[in-house]
Amino acid sequence: EDKVVQSPLSLVVHEGDTVTLNCSYEVTNFRSLLWYKQEKKAPTFLFMLTSSGIEKKSGRLSSILDKKELFSILNITATQTGDSAVYLCAVGNTDKLIFGTGTRLQVFP
Amino acid sequence: NAGVTQTPKFQVLKTGQSMTLQCAQDMNHEYMSWYRQDPGMGLRLIHYSVGAGITDQGEVPNGYNVSRSTTEDFPLRLLSAAPSQTSVYFCASRSWGEGSRNYGYTFGSGTRLTVV
Repeated sequence: EDKVVQSPLSLVVHEGDTVTLNCSYEVTNFRSLLWYKQEKKAPTFLFMLTSSGIEKKSGRLSSILDKKELFSILNITATQTGDSAVYLCAVGNTDKLIFGTGTRLQVFP
Repeated sequence: NAGVTQTPKFQVLKTGQSMTLQCAQDMNHEYMSWYRQDPGMGLRLIHYSVGAGITDQGEVPNGYNVSRSTTEDFPLRLLSAAPSQTSVYFCASRSWGEGSRNYGYTFGSGTRLTVV
């Protein structure tokens, strides 16, 4: 059975901290791993990773994929209160997108 | 700049009623799908379609029907609503096929459904 597991389930930090979110997967016919940020509405796209070892960066966010060990991490440096959200990891194969349950990040001033 | 459009945004149903959630996309995406999101459960796939006339079941298909008569539209039908179907529903689409290099999905804004 295909599955995507995220950890931790929840994280509470102070502004300025650096956080690392984890995503491991067991999915047949892997095509891509995607990270989304979800606040009160639809998930918004952050990154799509298809190749191992190539870091993707966008401002304070970065992500990398390890296809041998079947995991990905999402790093957020110098966190801000606006980073508070649920971060979803999803793995796409030829048929579908399989989501993890998400990591809820709360950043306090 | 429409992308994926879902209607309605909110709906309250009585147990046993039927309704259709609408999803339309204007990106000529072959692949369309429906997810439901419940607290602590992430997003779970209900049904998906890889093109007009083709549909398949996802992880939680029971109680839902779909059809795909056009590339643009992928409606989700609740045949007899139950309180367990209270959830937020998202429609998502992407391009499809061996030649497609885009595995990124575009999501609609969601429909919040409450069944009482």
